[in-house]
Amino acid sequence: DSGVTQTPKHLITATGQRVTLRCSPRSGDLSVYWYQQSLDQGLQFLIQYYNGEERAKGNILERFSAQQFPDLHSELNLSSLELGDSALYFCASSAGLAGEGSQYFGPGTRLTVL
Amino acid sequence: AQKVTQAQTEISVVEKEDVTLDCVYETRDTTYYLFWYKQPPSGELVFLIRRNSFDEQNEISGRYSWNFQKSTSSFNFTITASQVVDSAVYFCALSGGSQGNLIFGKGTKLSVKP
Repeated sequence: DSGVTQTPKHLITATGQRVTLRCSPRSGDLSVYWYQQSLDQGLQFLIQYYNGEERAKGNILERFSAQQFPDLHSELNLSSLELGDSALYFCASSAGLAGEGSQYFGPGTRLTVL
Repeated sequence: AQKVTQAQTEISVVEKEDVTLDCVYETRDTTYYLFWYKQPPSGELVFLIRRNSFDEQNEISGRYSWNFQKSTSSFNFTITASQVVDSAVYFCALSGGSQGNLIFGKGTKLSVKP
């Protein structure tokens, strides 16, 4: 158990809909990262938050947004969903801001868009 | 640009064989971190090791060992006396000193047959 929790584990929805994925980091970790894993793109970094502030952006679509709350949990919002958004979404946390800390991953949320 | 290459897409071995998973990276950062993760069929990403660019000492943990060579930009992973439970996809990843997000290779699928 990495100590990172993600809900829900599975999500099935229809095209055009909006969903919210939730992540709670390990105790004491201030950084939260979101990654998308798909068959064609592999594991890709989406966005990073550190202590409530956005710190880095990767290949995140404009239809996607995220935030980190004062209790450090984070939510990833996906809107106007398309079939191609079907993927495994991971959240990871680390203690620090940059790469000096190890990143521990949650169990992931498998999103299926029908 | 940062890049991680795992040239071996799939490897199949028989139990008790030794197996080495290759990882070659590219980065212009002088400070960087290298990681290995295991993704078993259940889907979670399990942290195995983190190495910083200033520490070229090889590491052994049980049946696992890692060989870091800056001269060839490689960070290879060896499993000694493989077991069926080692069957998984293994990912090598890189983060730069100023950025915390991980750049992943495409992964190597290891199948260990009894």
